Amino acid sequence: EIVMAQSPGTLSVSPGERATLSCRASQTVSNKLAWYQQKPGQAPRLLIYGASTRATGVPARFSGSGSGTEFTLTINSLQSEDFAVYYCQQYNDWPPKYTFGQGTKLEIK
Amino acid sequence: EEQLVESGGGLIQPGGSLRLSCAASGFSVSNNYMTWVRQAPGKGLEWVSVIYSGGHTYYADSVKGRFTISRDNSKNTLYLQMNSLTVEDTAVYYCTRESASGIQSYGMDVWGHGTTVTVSS
Repeated sequence: EIVMAQSPGTLSVSPGERATLSCRASQTVSNKLAWYQQKPGQAPRLLIYGASTRATGVPARFSGSGSGTEFTLTINSLQSEDFAVYYCQQYNDWPPKYTFGQGTKLEIK
Repeated sequence: EEQLVESGGGLIQPGGSLRLSCAASGFSVSNNYMTWVRQAPGKGLEWVSVIYSGGHTYYADSVKGRFTISRDNSKNTLYLQMNSLTVEDTAVYYCTRESASGIQSYGMDVWGHGTTVTVSS
């Protein structure tokens, strides 16, 4: 099973600043990596797929990068609505076992 | 509007069974990859199962042999039959659509609101 590790566990950033979230896979997942945002009491929302492609309706301040085992989600000019928990997820494993990272909580500094 | 609505959650004793349903609207479950993802209280997300458009099914090791994913195309509904439940199965269960074309996946782009399963004596 591919293990996904996210860092840091909690990130404190001021509104208007940039946030950088990391995700590492225990073995290569190529570019089959997605990022999700989850706010309290809500279902997750797809932000990024294919490591770097924004999903429909996702603002341009969200960007994803990386391939293989190292991935980054960058959020520029943080808005109040961006403070949430972010999960990375790989979908490269076969047979499929779509493992998630443990999440990074982005909080207001 | 593309939408998923789960139902069927509740309080169940250890060893019991429960069937979750997920009604889709705005798209066809039979033409898409459909998954179940769960989230234990205060914890992260855990992928549970997927059913591909061709009907193949796959499961997380933690539920293999106990859970069964299926769909009813005529009702446009996804199901998760859960047997031999344990306290570790307590979670909010989300159904999702995994947008895909052939072997190319575009992520889980539609999520339901979730249904809560509590396994307790």
